[in-house]
Amino acid sequence: AQSVTQLDSHVSVSEGTPVLLRCNYSSSYSPSLFWYVQHPNKGLQLLLKYTSAATLVKGINGFEAEFKKSETSFHLTKPSAHMSDAAEYFCVPMIKAAGNKLTFGGGTRVLVKP
Amino acid sequence: NAGVTQTPKFRVLKTGQSMTLLCAQDMNHEYMYWYRQDPGMGLRLIHYSVGEGTTAKGEVPDGYNVSRLKKQNFLLGLESAAPSQTSVYFCASSQSRNRVEQYFGPGTRLTVT
Repeated sequence: AQSVTQLDSHVSVSEGTPVLLRCNYSSSYSPSLFWYVQHPNKGLQLLLKYTSAATLVKGINGFEAEFKKSETSFHLTKPSAHMSDAAEYFCVPMIKAAGNKLTFGGGTRVLVKP
Repeated sequence: NAGVTQTPKFRVLKTGQSMTLLCAQDMNHEYMYWYRQDPGMGLRLIHYSVGEGTTAKGEVPDGYNVSRLKKQNFLLGLESAAPSQTSVYFCASSQSRNRVEQYFGPGTRLTVT
C-alpha cells in the first residue's frame, strides 16, 4: 500500500524567502507522486509529478521537488515565495492500478507574510 | 478549451431532496472522477470511470450514484440528500491509463439542510 505523510500542517514564510514543504512516502516500491495546490475556494491545480523518470522534477510557478529513494521523500521547494503562493498543498500518491486513483491526505497550508 | 467544468457552482437542498451534479470535459479524456472535500480535509474519492459506459466505486460511494453515458460527461446523483452530504464536490479527468495527471474542475458547493 502507498501512503504519504506531510510533516507540517501549516508553514509560514516571508515573501522572498525559500519555501520547503515536506512529504515522506511509504511504499514497497517507487510510487507515482504528485504535488497539487489549492487556492482558497478554488479547484486543485497540478504543480508537478514524479513517475520514475528524472528524480528532480520541475513544476509550474517556480516549484520543484526531488524524489529521494534513500530518504523516502518528495519535498517541494521554491527559492523565493510570492504572496500568490498562499494556498494549501497536497502531496498525493497514485495507485497505478484500475482507475489510477489518487489518495489525498490533509495537506499543508502555506501562509506568506509580506 | 474550457478544461473541466462543473454545474452548478452552488446548491442548497433540503433533506430528502434529489439532485444531479454535472461534470463535463472537452479534452477527450478517458478517465473521470468525483471527489468530495470536507473542511480541513483532503479529497475523498466517491466514484470514478475508466471509460464511456463504465463506473466504479471509490472510497466513499454510499448515498451517491453516477453515470457516464457520454465520454465527455460524468454525472453524480444524490437520490435522497442528507446533511452529511454537505460538502464541496470536485470532478477531475485524466487522459488515459498511462497519462495519469488529473485535471480538476472548480467545484460545486452543496449544502443540505
